[in-house]
Amino acid sequence: QVHLQESGPGLVKPSETLSLTCTVSGGSISSYYWNWIRQPPGQGLEWIGYIYYSGSTNYNPSLKSRVTISVATSKNQFSLMVSSVTAADTAVYYCARSNTAVVNEFDYWGQGTLVTVS
Amino acid sequence: DIQMTQSPSSLSASVGDRVTITCRASQSTSIYLNWYQQKPGRAPKLLIYAASRLQSGVPSRFSGSGSGTDFTLTISSLQAEDFANYYCQQSYSTPRTFGGGTRVEIK
Repeated sequence: QVHLQESGPGLVKPSETLSLTCTVSGGSISSYYWNWIRQPPGQGLEWIGYIYYSGSTNYNPSLKSRVTISVATSKNQFSLMVSSVTAADTAVYYCARSNTAVVNEFDYWGQGTLVTVS
Repeated sequence: DIQMTQSPSSLSASVGDRVTITCRASQSTSIYLNWYQQKPGRAPKLLIYAASRLQSGVPSRFSGSGSGTDFTLTISSLQAEDFANYYCQQSYSTPRTFGGGTRVEIK
C-alpha cells in the first residue's frame, strides 16, 4: 500500500520561503506524477503543481512565479518551495499521486500538514 | 483554465435518502472527471475516477455518470458515514481544477 507523508515547518514568516517534503513509501516514485495541493482553512482545494519522476514539472499559473517542485528519486521524496509567502498562503498542504494509468486521478494522498504564515 | 461548478453547495438529507450532486465544466473534459469525499480534518479520498469508475474499496452505493461538461455523483442510500464534503475535479488539462464542493449534512 502506497503511503505519503508530508513534513516541514508549520509556521513561516511573511516574505520567507515555505518548504515541504513528501516521503513516499510502499512503492516507487517512478512512473507517476507527484502533486502538491493546498486547502486554506474552511475553503476548497487548489492544485499547486506536479513533478514527474524524471523531473519535468507543471505549475498552476496562479502560483507559477513563486513555486518550485523538485524530486529526489533515490530518497523516494519530492519537495515544494513557495517563496515570498503571505497570509494568503496559510493552508493545509497535501501531497498526492496521479495515477497515470487511467485519467491522472489523485489516488493516494498524504494526511496533510497545516502551514501558517505569521 | 477549466472552471468546475458544483451544485448544490450544500444539502441536508436523511439516512437512506438518495442524494445527487452535479458538476459542470466550463468546457468539455471528456471523461477526465473525478470525485472525492473529504471528512473534517482528513485528506480527500478518491471515490470515482474517469467519470464512472468506482475506486477499489468504495461502497457500491456510490456511482458516477456523465461525459463532456455535465457529471453526476449519486449516493443511492445515504449512510451515516457519508456525511462529508464532496468535490469534483477535472484531470483533462492543467491547471487541474476542483469544484467548490458540496457539503452533505444530516437533516
